[in-house]
Order: sequence, then C-alpha cells, then structure tokens
Amino acid sequence: GIQVEQSPPDLILQEGANSTLRCNFSDSVNNLQWFHQNPWGQLINLFYIPSGTKQNGRLSATTVATERYSLLYISSSQTTDSGVYFCAVDGDSWGKFQFGAGTQVVVTP
Amino acid sequence: GAGVSQSPSNKVTEKGKDVELRCDPISGHTALYWYRQRLGQGLEFLIYFQGNSAPDKSGLPSDRFSAERTGESVSTLTIQRTQQEDSAVYLCASSLAGAGGPYEQYFGPGTRLTVT
Repeated sequence: GIQVEQSPPDLILQEGANSTLRCNFSDSVNNLQWFHQNPWGQLINLFYIPSGTKQNGRLSATTVATERYSLLYISSSQTTDSGVYFCAVDGDSWGKFQFGAGTQVVVTP
Repeated sequence: GAGVSQSPSNKVTEKGKDVELRCDPISGHTALYWYRQRLGQGLEFLIYFQGNSAPDKSGLPSDRFSAERTGESVSTLTIQRTQQEDSAVYLCASSLAGAGGPYEQYFGPGTRLTVT
C-alpha cells in the first residue's frame, strides 16, 4: 500500500518562529489533507489540498503531486499551534486514507 | 447536526465483553470512516462507507471487528470479545463525496476505549 512519511518527527519552536513540515508519499494520490490534533485529541482540518497552494491566516500548504510531497508552513508560531500535525492521503483506493506518523510541535513562550 | 458526534466519549469494559460505539455523521455527508488511534501513534484506517456501495472493510484488524451503517446516517462499530490490545481511541469522520471520490473529512471527538 501507499507509504506516507512525515518529517521532522518532532519540532520545538520559540513563539514567533516560522517552520516547515513535510509529507512525502510513495504513489499518486486522489486526496491529501493536513490536520492538527490539539492536546485534547481533537482533529482539526487545516487544508484539503490534493494539489496546488492554499493559505489560511498564518498557515499555508503546497502539494506538488507530480513529485509526491506536500509542505505545511507555519509562520509566526503561537503556543496554540502546539500539538501533532498529520498528513493523510488516499491513493490505494478512494476513501482508504493512510495517515503519516505525524510531527509533534511544541511552541514555547 | 453541527458536526460529527460520537458516543460514548469513554468506555471501560472487561476483557471478553462486546462493545458498541456509535457515530452520527454531519447531515448530508454520504461518506463515513472509522479509524483507531493507539496512544502516541497515528491513525489506522478501519472501514469506509460511501452511499449504497459495499464498504471498504480492508482495515478491520480481525473478525471480532464489524461495522454497520444505516443508509447515509448513523454508524456503529462493534468489537466482540474485547482484548486489551483493543484499548485505543476510536475516531469517526464523515465527508461529502462525488464522482471524483471523497472530499474533505471532518472528525468527531472520538471514543476512548479501555479494556481491563
């Protein structure tokens, strides 16, 4: 099945710093989403981005489907950005989403 | 409803008992998904329902696990003869879907299952 790798596995940032999270996938995909899992366990949609670039406030994402990767940019990080960021793709078959292992982000004041 | 809801929020059960977990998707969402998340790990796909099509059950880990969905409404995930390794958070998501496949998933808060 499709493999999804996220990097880095852990990231410690000082408030105000910028960062880039990466998601590599092993085959072509139909859909790609980025999620933020907050410290209470709730998964929050960030981007639905099978291709192209999107921006939402301090966050933006780019997916280059032909090169099988997606990037999530966090600018001017805040402590509320702490949590785990997951990338999920469906490529093997529609609806069968494969999640990466996540990037654990800690933003310190 | 406003979002995906799941019940119960927490369930503690004894090894060997059966449990039933419920998911109410966003109204109008034809696609529904179940995932399992063990402590400190990522999400594992369990099953995907889309409209009246046969569900994709390829992620169910054993025949002790089953799921049903009533039309495009509520879904139940049943675990029979629970084992300690079934302890995890079970997450449900729903989405719209079209000819090109499913769209953006929205997740419920999850059910935390503890098997003692």
